[in-house]
Amino acid sequence: DGGITQSPKYLFRKEGQNVTLSCEQNLNHDAMYWYRQDPGQGLRLIYYSQIVNDFQKGDIAEGYSVSREKKESFPLTVTSAQKNPTAFYLCASSGTGREKLFFGSGTQLSVL
Amino acid sequence: AQSVTQPDIHITVSEGASLELRCNYSYGATPYLFWYVQSPGQGLQLLLKYFSGDTLVQGIKGFEAEFKRSQSSFNLRKPSVHWSDAAEYFCAVGSYSSASKIIFGSGTRLSIRP
Repeated sequence: DGGITQSPKYLFRKEGQNVTLSCEQNLNHDAMYWYRQDPGQGLRLIYYSQIVNDFQKGDIAEGYSVSREKKESFPLTVTSAQKNPTAFYLCASSGTGREKLFFGSGTQLSVL
Repeated sequence: AQSVTQPDIHITVSEGASLELRCNYSYGATPYLFWYVQSPGQGLQLLLKYFSGDTLVQGIKGFEAEFKRSQSSFNLRKPSVHWSDAAEYFCAVGSYSSASKIIFGSGTRLSIRP
């Protein structure tokens, strides 16, 4: 079945530590996105990539980094510079009809 | 400024009752409008979308939404809710050019009373 796989489901970060969230898709989509979701708030765009080896900052990119070396993969690193990383992180992709997003099942990141 | 407002944070309805979730938007260009649903601890699933044409759009799971340009609204409706409809619902507005332009509302949590 085609879809988006995020791992791990739960992740804990220690102070000063960088952590990487995985996102893999087998939908053959060109565009991929990372969103952050906080309770009572909508989704906020962190980074997006419309093609391999290219990506752009979203609305809240500070403290995060990404790479897009393969079409299928778009990992997100939460760096130690992100002082409030506790949130639910969602990866998404879109194909030819770029307006429609397909979402993974998310990663809950918490700080120890 | 472009924005989406969902004025109801939490709504509780009885099983079998009708449902209407409100959404108002502010968008400079012709909007593309969406409703997504999210079960706890899961990603979002597209319920329906409006791009143009008939202002009443049908979606999955028996949901429909009506675009009213004069009121800048895109309310979601269902004639009879089921316990499985309990979830968080997000309205979103965007443009055709890129999904990176999609703006999400803050969501409405729907609870179902047995």
